Formats: sequence, structure tokens, C-alpha cells
Amino acid sequence: GENVEQHPSTLSVQEGDSAVIKCTYSDSASNYFPWYKQELGKGPQLIIDIRSNVGEKKDQRIAVTLNKTAKHFSLHITETQPEDSAVYFCAAPKRGLTGGGNKLTFGTGTQLKVEL
Amino acid sequence: DVKVTQSSRYLVKRTGEKVFLECVQDMDHENMFWYRQDPGLGLRLIYFSYDVKMKEKGDIPEGYSVSREKKERFSLILESASTNQTSMYLCASSLYIRVGGNTEAFFGQGTRLTVV
Repeated sequence: GENVEQHPSTLSVQEGDSAVIKCTYSDSASNYFPWYKQELGKGPQLIIDIRSNVGEKKDQRIAVTLNKTAKHFSLHITETQPEDSAVYFCAAPKRGLTGGGNKLTFGTGTQLKVEL
Repeated sequence: DVKVTQSSRYLVKRTGEKVFLECVQDMDHENMFWYRQDPGLGLRLIYFSYDVKMKEKGDIPEGYSVSREKKERFSLILESASTNQTSMYLCASSLYIRVGGNTEAFFGQGTRLTVV
């Protein structure tokens, strides 16, 4: 099955700096890579996703890049703000009896702290 | 506003008790999931359901069972709670797409279960 590795486990940046979180995956057939943000006391929430037919996607201060050859994808947050402090999870599709769609394997998470 | 609601935020149970965790979604989603979240391990899939009365084991199903009698409700059952099942439990739902289908997963706020 799919194996997703995520680094770093913790990341501390100064407000206004950029933050980068990286994930690798094992299944070359994977075609969908979402990123979730989990704030304290809440469930994870999708912030951006990318499909394998594009190499980069941006949404304001957040971008995701995908390198299919190397099987890795990264989350980039620019001009970080205190409200970006949270746990971030990457994910990739997980194959299963129902054909693989809709289930995800998650990375182990990155605790991002944006310091004033 | 889309919503996945878990019946309890915090739960304390005794070893050997039968525990029910309830989850309800109001988005008419076909897919529902139960994940377990532990520090350093990310989110691990316990069970998945893609239709009423249909279920599929995830990565860590041992000691758990599920019930989906109605489309909007997915229950996680700990047959005989043990201390190693102390964890955060997250329910999620997503829309089913037959082809190329990975869609956003919406999470509940989580249930922190302590087994003493």
C-alpha cells in the first residue's frame, strides 16, 4: 500500500518568513495530493490539493509543488502569520478493495509555530 | 455550512467496557471514515464505509468494529476497551466519485477517549 513520509515534524519560523514542508510517497500510481491544516482543538481541514496532471498550484500565500519523477510534493507558505500556527498533514490516495479512490494515507504531521 | 458532528468531545471509560463513538454528517456523503490520531503517528485509518451497511477495514481495525445503518451516521465500536485505545478519534466524510475520484474529506472535531 501507499507509504507517506513527512518532514520536518516540527518547524519554527519568524513571522513574515516562509515555511516549507515536504512529503514523499511510494505508489507511482497516486494522482491526488491534499494538504490538511489542524488547528488546536479542531479536526483537520483541507487547505490545498494538487492532482498529478499539474506541477504547481497556488492559492494566495499557499502553494503546493509536485515532482512525480521523484515522488515528492511540498507545501509552501509565504509571509507566515501567527494564525498559520497549526499541525499540517500531507496525504496520498490509499488503494483498497473499492479501487483506491476516496481513502487517504496521511503523513505523520508537522507542527508549525510562527513566532512574533 | 457543511458539518460532521461527533457525539462527544471527551470521553473517559473503564477497561473492558463496550464503547460507542457516534458520527453524523449532513452532506449526503457516501463515504465515511474513522481515523485514530496519535502523536508522531499521524492519522491512521481504522475503518471505511462507502455505502449503507458496507464497510472495509483500514490499517488498524483490531479491537474495533463499525456500524452504518443509515447514510448519515457511522458508529465506531470498541468491543472491550483497553488502555492502548486511549487516543483522539476523528470521523470524516467525503463525496464518492466513481472515476478518478478523490474528493475533499470533511472532519469532525474529534473525540478524545481515555481508557482507565
